[in-house]
Amino acid sequence: KAGVTQTPRYLIKTRGQQVTLSCSPISGHRSVSWYQQTPGQGLQFLFEYFSETQRNKGNFPGRFSGRQFSNSRSEMNVSTLELGDSALYLCASSPHMNTEAFFGQGTRLTVV
Amino acid sequence: KNEVEQSPQNLTAQEGEFITINCSYSVGISALHWLQQHPGGGIVSLFMLSSGKKKHGRLIATINIQEKHSSLHITASHPRDSAVYICAVRLIQGAQKLVFGQGTRLTINP
Repeated sequence: KAGVTQTPRYLIKTRGQQVTLSCSPISGHRSVSWYQQTPGQGLQFLFEYFSETQRNKGNFPGRFSGRQFSNSRSEMNVSTLELGDSALYLCASSPHMNTEAFFGQGTRLTVV
Repeated sequence: KNEVEQSPQNLTAQEGEFITINCSYSVGISALHWLQQHPGGGIVSLFMLSSGKKKHGRLIATINIQEKHSSLHITASHPRDSAVYICAVRLIQGAQKLVFGQGTRLTINP
């Protein structure tokens, strides 16, 4: 069974640009959640999707958004990038909400 | 004060030693997760607990709901156990989001 796949693995963007990150969950998993990891703040919850609906949201500005498709694949978008958005973005999938999460390898975003 | 506190922040031990990492939380939770992160970023979910104790190989996780405390134990530690161990709790109120501890960096020397 394939694991959680995140693309791309590495990304360099310029301030002010926007970026879209992709997450393909494990087959059969319907819940996808996103996290940001920085050296200063550690791991922080961004949002969680289940059955194409955002169920939970962390304390991030509106520049951070996401969506989930009918096949459970999810995308995360960050608009008007800032230097502070440089981070490792992790996606995790679960069969349902509040069950064990399986993490992808992450996308390392660098904003210059 | 952070909602989730881990101790110690850094731990260095010799191969074979018994390791304990602690996690205390101050909020109501529905579950607690222990995660392992190796250099390079990949995260592996080790345990999800809502009560009692779980064991997987050399790893044991316990949780005391009344005391709002969990421990992760590693028996017969090995250099390949060197990683960052992260405790995360699922809140039962509000956004029901996962809140993470700051992590414990474990180094096992041969």
